[in-house]
Amino acid sequence: QAVVTQEPSLTVSPGGTVTLTCGSSTGAVTSGHYPYWFQQKPGQAPRTLIYDTSNKHSWTPARFSGSLLGGKAALTLSGAQPEDEAEYYCLLSYSGALYVFGTGTKVTVL
Amino acid sequence: QVQLQESGPGLVKPSETLSLTCAVSGYSISSGYYWGWIRQPPGKGLEWIGSIYHSGSTYYNPSLKSRVTISVDTSKNQFSLKLSSVTAADTAVYYCARTDAFDIWGQGTMVTVSS
Repeated sequence: QAVVTQEPSLTVSPGGTVTLTCGSSTGAVTSGHYPYWFQQKPGQAPRTLIYDTSNKHSWTPARFSGSLLGGKAALTLSGAQPEDEAEYYCLLSYSGALYVFGTGTKVTVL
Repeated sequence: QVQLQESGPGLVKPSETLSLTCAVSGYSISSGYYWGWIRQPPGKGLEWIGSIYHSGSTYYNPSLKSRVTISVDTSKNQFSLKLSSVTAADTAVYYCARTDAFDIWGQGTMVTVSS
């Protein structure tokens, strides 16, 4: 089974920009992995921010964007706010029906 | 507005079978979409357990496949998870979700495996 790897932790200044990445042990991440990005705050269920690499839900703040970068999926937060401090998980689809979550990135806004 | 609500025992004994149900409101399961289960051990990351289509087709995490059964009951508009031969490693918050876009989640239910 594939292993999906993320940075354990990242720190961003208020108003700053940070990019989280999501890599696969099987090789380059492509649009065929339909990358998702989730935000999870303590005690809460995860909330989807991005699906299919770069698509946003109606509730996704405009400061979040998704892309493919250097063979990985990427989530960029531009103009970080204190409320963006959370754990972020990516999710990749394999063979269209199997899913693997990333290891998670703790983002601190400081 | 589609809502999901997990229910089931909060405590299961080792070697027994964990059983959870996810009630769906605001949408008829028989109309489509994939529905699934995700879990999160205390202080750890998320793990996809499996998904089921409204017709009954299932897809399971290979690491859990031998112990997992997900089923759907369209008459009750709910779907269920059974995980057999549980150990302490199965202690987690279990979430149900609509897994076409993982856009709708239940609030989660904590299940502890202990004698």
